[in-house]
Amino acid sequence: AQSVTQLDSQVPVFEEAPVELRCNYSSSVSVYLFWYVQYPNQGLQLLLKYLSGSTLVKGINGFEAEFNKSQTSFHLRKPSVHISDTAEYFCAVSDHQAGTALIFGKGTTLSVSS
Amino acid sequence: DVKVTQSSRYLVKRTGEKVFLECVQDMDHENMFWYRQDPGLGLRLIYFSYDVKMKEKGDIPEGYSVSREKKERFSLILESASTNQTSMYLCASSPSGGRNQPQHFGDGTRLSIL
Repeated sequence: AQSVTQLDSQVPVFEEAPVELRCNYSSSVSVYLFWYVQYPNQGLQLLLKYLSGSTLVKGINGFEAEFNKSQTSFHLRKPSVHISDTAEYFCAVSDHQAGTALIFGKGTTLSVSS
Repeated sequence: DVKVTQSSRYLVKRTGEKVFLECVQDMDHENMFWYRQDPGLGLRLIYFSYDVKMKEKGDIPEGYSVSREKKERFSLILESASTNQTSMYLCASSPSGGRNQPQHFGDGTRLSIL
């Protein structure tokens, strides 16, 4: 079965600094990859997705992610973070053995301070 | 925009009670999902459904059942609530069309079993 590993459970950064949230997945077969963000007391919101084509994917709020098939990674980046980016971030992969269900990582809490 | 509505944001129930969590989506999506979210564990799939009256077990179905009598509504049922079912429950939906379709989430129900 597929699995997703988010390598950092917590990432503290200062405002305007760059950030990278790391995600690795287990499968070597064709996959679809997603990043979601969860603000406090809210559900998950789609940040970006990789389906095919260009390995650099741009999403909302200035985030981007790079798909690396050889490394089985899908790291999320932002060149300059804001206080409002403080949230929990989830990487997810579609599981071909479970139809359209997603397999989620355990999440990374991004804390941005001034 | 897709709207996924969960009937309660916060719910407190007692051990042994039968608990119903309701979820409604307004975009005519075929697929609906129930997850539970616990700190440090990410999101874990309880049940999902591809169509009316159809259901599939996810990773942690024990102690839960589901009902999908209408396309827009997917209910999660705790047959006899226990304290270890205290958690955040998230409902999601997605259209048909394969594994490349992102899921849309409700705001969650925080359930406490006393």
